Amino acid sequence: GQQLNQSPQSMFIQEGEDVSMNCTSSSIFNTWLWYKQDPGEGPVLLIALYKAGELTSNGRLTAQFGITRKDSFLNISASIPSDVGIYFCAGGNAGGTSYGKLTFGQGTILTVHP
Amino acid sequence: EPEVTQTPSHQVTQMGQEVILRCVPISNHLYFYWYRQILGQKVEFLVSFYNNEISEKSEIFDDQFSVERPDGSNFTLKIRSTKLEDSAMYFCASQKPGLETQYFGPGTRLLVL
Repeated sequence: GQQLNQSPQSMFIQEGEDVSMNCTSSSIFNTWLWYKQDPGEGPVLLIALYKAGELTSNGRLTAQFGITRKDSFLNISASIPSDVGIYFCAGGNAGGTSYGKLTFGQGTILTVHP
Repeated sequence: EPEVTQTPSHQVTQMGQEVILRCVPISNHLYFYWYRQILGQKVEFLVSFYNNEISEKSEIFDDQFSVERPDGSNFTLKIRSTKLEDSAMYFCASQKPGLETQYFGPGTRLLVL
């Protein structure tokens, strides 16, 4: 099946620093989504990307859908303590036989030191 | 803002028992999903459901699993005879037609003893 490689696995940063994480795949996706998960809770959607090359921002978050459709990155600028959590990328391929199933990356654990 | 809700939040059961996990998707959504997440691991797709039937299922979703939309609002996942390895967080998600954006519920933590 399709696999997503997400890196880095974990990051320890100081408050105020910028953060970058990315996902790569050996196969293409039509949609890239970025989620944040707090302990014991469900993934919360941060940014959705629908077109190759698309660059989208949501406050301090910026994400891009790679031109090849095989990668995406998420940047967080000026991190704050509440950014702590696990960030997941997810790729989707609605249409054909997949009916929108999402394939998730392994997650990036972000720790922000005040 | 509309949310996906799930009940119960926690479920402890004995191996071999049946469990039913319940979800109420967002009201105008038409595509429904179940995912699971074993502790410390990534989220894995189980099954998708559209127009009152299963659209796609993963290898994990074997004969012990079933899904149902018994009325206009609930979407359930049943595990007939639970195994130790079924212990995980189970997430329901729903999606509006036309946009491939899935919204997740808070999850049910299932512990099989």
